[in-house]
Amino acid sequence: GAGVSQSPSNKVTEKGKDVELRCDPISGHTALYWYRQSLGQGLEFLIYFQGNSAPDKSGLPSDRFSAERTGGSVSTLTIQRTQQEDSAVYLCASSSDRGRIDEQFFGPGTRLTVL
Amino acid sequence: QKEVEQDPGPLSVPEGAIVSLNCTYSNSAFQYFMWYRQYSRKGPELLMYTYSSGNKEDGRFTAQVDKSSKYISLFIRDSQPSDSATYLCAMSGTGNQFYFGTGTSLTVIP
Repeated sequence: GAGVSQSPSNKVTEKGKDVELRCDPISGHTALYWYRQSLGQGLEFLIYFQGNSAPDKSGLPSDRFSAERTGGSVSTLTIQRTQQEDSAVYLCASSSDRGRIDEQFFGPGTRLTVL
Repeated sequence: QKEVEQDPGPLSVPEGAIVSLNCTYSNSAFQYFMWYRQYSRKGPELLMYTYSSGNKEDGRFTAQVDKSSKYISLFIRDSQPSDSATYLCAMSGTGNQFYFGTGTSLTVIP
């Protein structure tokens, strides 16, 4: 399939460890978004990429969170020194153009559990 | 106050019923209004979107936006068990961010 893929699908880690979450957007999509979905909290915007640059990082909750995108394609969200409150589903979405809402597609998410 | 408020439910209806899902918002700059459906363990998928005020219909689904009241609705007619999912409203203005509601969990009972 040609949809957005994310890996791993599930990640269990111990408090204090670092984790990397990967997003493979749809080929040719220039815009990429990261969201966090916690129980009862809805989707929380984390960061937006246009190409390789991140014009909007305003949603990153702390300096333990960082993200990069290389080659205008794959993106990695890194959480350092994980805390229990980081447990959530991390969703990635991509679109061909920020203005095309009907072309924004989500991946299945990575379910992160911090013990 | 959250940007977008949505009753989390859960909502349980018999098959064939009309379902009404609603969100309110506080930011008058929002121009795009979306409804997503999310099945368990899956990412959200876009159902419908509306620009500015008015109604939009697509099959059994109707989206309504009332900007004067800062209130949006999604109606599902002749609901089916396959409609059982979490429905999320989302909104955006001229910026890059989408603001999501918490989602309403819907179960349609056969």
